[in-house]
Amino acid sequence: QVQLQASGPGLVKPSETLSLTCTVSGYSINNGYYWGWIRQPPGKGLEWIANVFRSGNTYFNPSLKSRVTISVDTSKNQFSLRLRSVTAADTAVYYCARENGDNAFDYWGQGTLVTVAS
Amino acid sequence: QSALTQPRSVSGSPGQSVTISCTGTSSDVGLYNYVSWYQQHPGKAPKVIIHDVTERPSGVPDRFSGSKSGNTASLTISGLQTEDEADYFCCSYADRYTPHWMFGGGTKLTVL
Repeated sequence: QVQLQASGPGLVKPSETLSLTCTVSGYSINNGYYWGWIRQPPGKGLEWIANVFRSGNTYFNPSLKSRVTISVDTSKNQFSLRLRSVTAADTAVYYCARENGDNAFDYWGQGTLVTVAS
Repeated sequence: QSALTQPRSVSGSPGQSVTISCTGTSSDVGLYNYVSWYQQHPGKAPKVIIHDVTERPSGVPDRFSGSKSGNTASLTISGLQTEDEADYFCCSYADRYTPHWMFGGGTKLTVL
């Protein structure tokens, strides 16, 4: 069974960098598929952030691209997100997920709430 | 880029059918058959229920069906059950300027 677990600080100060890591179990990232981050502000809708492939190939939400770095560590079966210069608007539950060959996100982590506040 | 447009809420009684629309543009929903739908219960992660406009993943009841006409995709839930009460989000691939995924704003389904 494929499982994803996001981890990282739950509180980040404004203007600082949000860093999250997703650990994948039950499936090797080296076997393929894109892996991504999606966020959901409290009480609001979903927003896709970025995806990364095992090779390091990436693609981004155009509205966030200038602040986002996404990377993969196949040796640890993990991928990571960095979001720079955060503001209160970046407060959200951050999900990591797998984009499968059926053009959908089929496996999701449980989500981790990140609050931006001083 | 703007999110795909969904109604904020829909409702129906058990046994009835409801349809949720998802309107995009000719650069996303209208151009690609890469529309997916997600069901999200409170406090839970989303779950994919439709992919590639009409396809149901294994284990998803056939009460859930998807379709598309022009720039609008639709999710129909027939034979409503109380456990269908949840938020539903559509998602489409787009490549205006750069390839990316777009989500709809979400629709709250209430089963009366």
